[in-house]
Amino acid sequence: KAGVTQTPRYLIKTRGQQVTLSCSPISGHRSVSWYQQTPGQGLQFLFEYFSETQRNKGNFPGRFSGRQFSNSRSEMNVSTLELGDSALYLCASSALGTAANEKLFFGSGTQLSVL
Amino acid sequence: GIQVEQSPPDLILQEGANSTLRCNFSDSVNNLQWFHQNPWGQLINLFYIPSGTKQNGRLSATTVATERYSLLYISSSQTTDSGVYFCAVWVYRGSTLGRLYFGRGTQLTVWP
Repeated sequence: KAGVTQTPRYLIKTRGQQVTLSCSPISGHRSVSWYQQTPGQGLQFLFEYFSETQRNKGNFPGRFSGRQFSNSRSEMNVSTLELGDSALYLCASSALGTAANEKLFFGSGTQLSVL
Repeated sequence: GIQVEQSPPDLILQEGANSTLRCNFSDSVNNLQWFHQNPWGQLINLFYIPSGTKQNGRLSATTVATERYSLLYISSSQTTDSGVYFCAVWVYRGSTLGRLYFGRGTQLTVWP
């Protein structure tokens, strides 16, 4: 069974641009969640999608958005990039999206550098 | 929000040594998971352990939910154990929606 796949692996953008990251969950998983990892703030929850609906959102500005398609693949978009958006963006999938009683499986992430 | 504190922040061991990593959390949680982040950035799920003790090979974990802490034990360390170990707690807040809160991690380096 293929794992969680994130593309691209690396991205370099300049301030003011926008970027789209992609995540393909494990087959059969309906929940996809996104996390931002930086040296300063650590791992922080961005948002979670389940069956094409955003169910939960972290404390990030509206420049961060996402969506989920009917095949459960998810995209995350960041508009008007700032230097502080440089981070490793990790995507996780699970069957039901309730890590209270199931494991989360993570992809290898997309390393975004904003110049 | 809930506070998740991990200790020690850094740990350097020689191959073959044993180690204990600790995770304290500030409030009651619905679940706790331990992850290992490999050098390529991927988070590998080690344990999903809301309470009690689990073992997987050289690794074991214990969570005492009533005292709000969890321990990860690594025995007979190998160089491949190097990386960052994260503790994450799942918390519901007044609704059916929940989220994971991560600690800052323990950076483990195992020397041959």
